Amino acid sequence: NAGVTQTPKFQVLKTGQSMTLQCAQDMNHEYMSWYRQDPGMGLRLIHYSVGAGITDQGEVPNGYNVSRSTTEDFPLRLLSAAPSQTSVYFCASTRGGDGNTIYFGEGSWLTVV
Amino acid sequence: ILNVEQSPQSLHVQEGDSTNFTCSFPSSNFYALHWYRWETAKSPEALFVMTLNGDEKKKGRISATLNTKEGYSYLYIKGSQPEDSATYLCAFYNTDKLIFGTGTRLQVFP
Repeated sequence: NAGVTQTPKFQVLKTGQSMTLQCAQDMNHEYMSWYRQDPGMGLRLIHYSVGAGITDQGEVPNGYNVSRSTTEDFPLRLLSAAPSQTSVYFCASTRGGDGNTIYFGEGSWLTVV
Repeated sequence: ILNVEQSPQSLHVQEGDSTNFTCSFPSSNFYALHWYRWETAKSPEALFVMTLNGDEKKKGRISATLNTKEGYSYLYIKGSQPEDSATYLCAFYNTDKLIFGTGTRLQVFP
C-alpha cells in the first residue's frame, strides 16, 4: 500500500528559486494538508484542503501556494524560496471528520541557502 | 488562535519506569483529540483518536485518557522501554483542521 507519497525527500534551493513539493495519496481521502516542522515548534499547518477544488490557509501560509485539482494530489508551491522556509515538510491525508486517523507522508527535507 | 500545549517538553527516564505526559487544549468547540508517536527521520504514527469525554484508550503499554470539560488529555506509558524513545504529539481537531502541540520528547535509557 502506497499511502501518502511525498517527493522529493531532500532538496537544496537557492534564495529566490521556486519549487513544488508533490504529495499524492491513494486512499481516496477527502482531506489533505501540509505541515512544516521546525525545532521546538512542533507541526504547524501551512494549507489544507477538504476536497478537490477547495483549499484554505492554516497557521503559517505566507510564501506558499497550493491547489487541489484532483482528490489524489495536493502539491505545495514555494514561489520564491527564502532561508526561513528551511524546514521539514509533511503532507497528510484523512478520510475526514474528527474521528479519523491522519496518515502522514515520509517528509521532505528542504534547505534554502 | 488555538493553543495546544504539552508538558513536559522533554523527559528522560530509566527502562522500566512508568511515565505520563499532559496535553492541554481549548475546552470549547471540541471535536477530537489525537495522539501521535514520532520517531526521528520517520513520519508521525497515529496512537489514538479520542472523541468522547471520559474516553480511555489503550494499546499495549500505552494508554490515554480524555477530559473535554477541562481541556486535557494524559498519555501514560507503563514500564518504559528504550524503543519507546520518541516525540509524542497531541493534536486538537477543530472544525476541519488539526492543530498540533509542540510535543514531549521522551528518552528511555537502558
